[in-house]
Amino acid sequence: QSVVTQPPSVSGTPGQRVTISCSGSSSNIGTNFVNWYQQLPRTAPKVFIYGNNQRPSGVPDRFSGSKSGTSASLAISGLQSEDEAEYYCAVWDDSLSAVVFGGGTKLTVL
Amino acid sequence: EVQLVQSGAEVRKPGESLKISCKASGYNFPKHWIGWVRQMPGKGLEWMGIIYPSDSDIKYNPSFQGQVTISVDNSITTAYLQWNSLKASDTALYYCARRQRDYTYAMDVWGQGTTVTVSS
Repeated sequence: QSVVTQPPSVSGTPGQRVTISCSGSSSNIGTNFVNWYQQLPRTAPKVFIYGNNQRPSGVPDRFSGSKSGTSASLAISGLQSEDEAEYYCAVWDDSLSAVVFGGGTKLTVL
Repeated sequence: EVQLVQSGAEVRKPGESLKISCKASGYNFPKHWIGWVRQMPGKGLEWMGIIYPSDSDIKYNPSFQGQVTISVDNSITTAYLQWNSLKASDTALYYCARRQRDYTYAMDVWGQGTTVTVSS
């Protein structure tokens, strides 16, 4: 059981908007920055959102992040087939003194 | 170009030792934390620990403390992950990753991964 919780899977059709949630506690999301990673099959993860809502250069502006209290979300608008991947949230946990990853969410584009 | 290049796949028997490497290039190696992430077969990402090459300050995930050793050699801009006695449960894909120079703990550059297989 991960310290931060994500839904195992979400799906959407091309052009739709989907959101992936990440639920934590006051010792992690409630206090620290949330980062989101995309992992395509058989490739290394890539940071897609950092600092709750900042996009690295090269990441499409269809991707956005937000945080409220002890929860965070990744939103993807104008869904495309190439968005199909595993998405992980990650955050520093003050109690563990370690970064904790969510369990990952598999996004399927129908 | 900023790059992390990891050593190749390894196969070991239980009880054996192993040290895998992560060669950094294209940036000021001592000034960025560099960490290790485990991904067991078919599973999610687990943060193992991180080291600051400039002073070798290390933060271990409590789940991995005492099970592995993280180190660096600044002279060859390389980070290492080491086991003294491998178990079958150490079979996994291991990534090294560079931490951004901010307060977010975001990992902005990743190695290609090293597969470790432990089997008798």
